[in-house]
Amino acid sequence: GENVEQHPSTLSVQEGDSAVIKCTYSDSASNYFPWYKQELGKGPQLIIDIRSNVGEKKDQRIAVTLNKTAKHFSLHITETQPEDSAVYFCAASTRNFNKFYFGSGTKLNVKP
Amino acid sequence: DAMVIQNPRYQVTQFGKPVTLSCSQTLNHNVMYWYQQKSSQAPKLLFHYYDKDFNNEADTPDNFQSRRPNTSFCFLDIRSPGLGDAAMYLCATSRGGAGLADQETQYFGPGTRLLVL
Repeated sequence: GENVEQHPSTLSVQEGDSAVIKCTYSDSASNYFPWYKQELGKGPQLIIDIRSNVGEKKDQRIAVTLNKTAKHFSLHITETQPEDSAVYFCAASTRNFNKFYFGSGTKLNVKP
Repeated sequence: DAMVIQNPRYQVTQFGKPVTLSCSQTLNHNVMYWYQQKSSQAPKLLFHYYDKDFNNEADTPDNFQSRRPNTSFCFLDIRSPGLGDAAMYLCATSRGGAGLADQETQYFGPGTRLLVL
């Protein structure tokens, strides 16, 4: 089955700096890659996703890049703000199945 | 407006006493999921329904059961909760349907935190 690895497990940045979180996956059939933000005591919230037919997607301060050959994808947050502090999870799935394989999560701390 | 609703948000039960968690959705999605999430870990899929078709994960304990009486509602039944079952339980939905746009995107509810005494 699919195996998703996520790094780093914790990330501390200064407000205004950029943050990058990286994930690798093992199954070349995976073709959908969402990123979720989870605040303490809340459910995961989808922040951005990418499908295997594109290499990059951007939404304001958030971007995701995908390298299918190397089987890795990354979340980029620019101009970080204290409210970006949360746990971020990456996931991978194949379009024909309804199962997500989650990474282990990255706890992002943005210091004011 | 809340799209995936979970009740209650906090549930306290006693060791061995059956408990039911509920989830409802206003999205009219075909697929509903139940996840267990323990502290500092990723969500772990327990099972999912594609319409009325139940799909159990191989490592989901028999202690966990689910019901989906209609499109909007799905229930998680824990028959005999143990201390190890204390966790956040997350419900999610996705549109499903091969060939449909965004059919695989999952939308999560706020979760129910279960405490077992």
